[in-house]
Amino acid sequence: SAVISQKPSRDICQRGTSLTIQCQVDSQVTMMFWYRQQPGQSLTLIATANQGSEATYESGFVIDKFPISRPNLTFSTLTVSNMSPEDSSIYLCSVEEASARRRDTQYFGPGTRLTVL
Amino acid sequence: GEDVEQSLFLSVREGDSSVINCTYTDSSSTYLYWYKQEPGAGLQLLTYIFSNMDMKQDQRLTVLLNKKDKHLSLRIADTQTGDSAIYFCAVAPGNTGKLIFGQGTTLQVKP
Repeated sequence: SAVISQKPSRDICQRGTSLTIQCQVDSQVTMMFWYRQQPGQSLTLIATANQGSEATYESGFVIDKFPISRPNLTFSTLTVSNMSPEDSSIYLCSVEEASARRRDTQYFGPGTRLTVL
Repeated sequence: GEDVEQSLFLSVREGDSSVINCTYTDSSSTYLYWYKQEPGAGLQLLTYIFSNMDMKQDQRLTVLLNKKDKHLSLRIADTQTGDSAIYFCAVAPGNTGKLIFGQGTTLQVKP
């Protein structure tokens, strides 16, 4: 399976600032996703990162708050803008493996633990 | 919208079997998944089952799927303390690649 890394692994930020999270994959993948896991909660999909075009956002998430880039098939960034304490969460990227044996199977990065003061 | 439900907590003794249950509302997923999250870590794909299967066994893990009742379960045989974690079931409605997760079941394994 693909090896996924995220930077930073954790950060503590002041309210009103922005943080950009990077996701790097060791192989080319077609689909990349960003999820949020609020404290003690399950995972919620933020958006699908599309290579060469604008990300597709889920209901409740907007581009101004969570701008996403995907310049190529191995890399994506998620920015959390104008942060507030409610943005304190773990942010995870995932990739979908589209091989014949494991189609539609998603693998997750280690996550970025964000605390906003 | 799609809904995935799990019980929140399960406690077992080391060596016993654990059974984690999940119910879902959408029936269009081609695959259904179980993920494991250890404290402070990301999600690890444990296993998955194709929707036209009833059962899948993978070493100590057995997945049972009842499509009629929209019920998925994960059985862990000979549960070890290292199995203590949160277990999430997930479905991919409409085969769009978007995963819908349950709330997660915290498995506590007592020595």
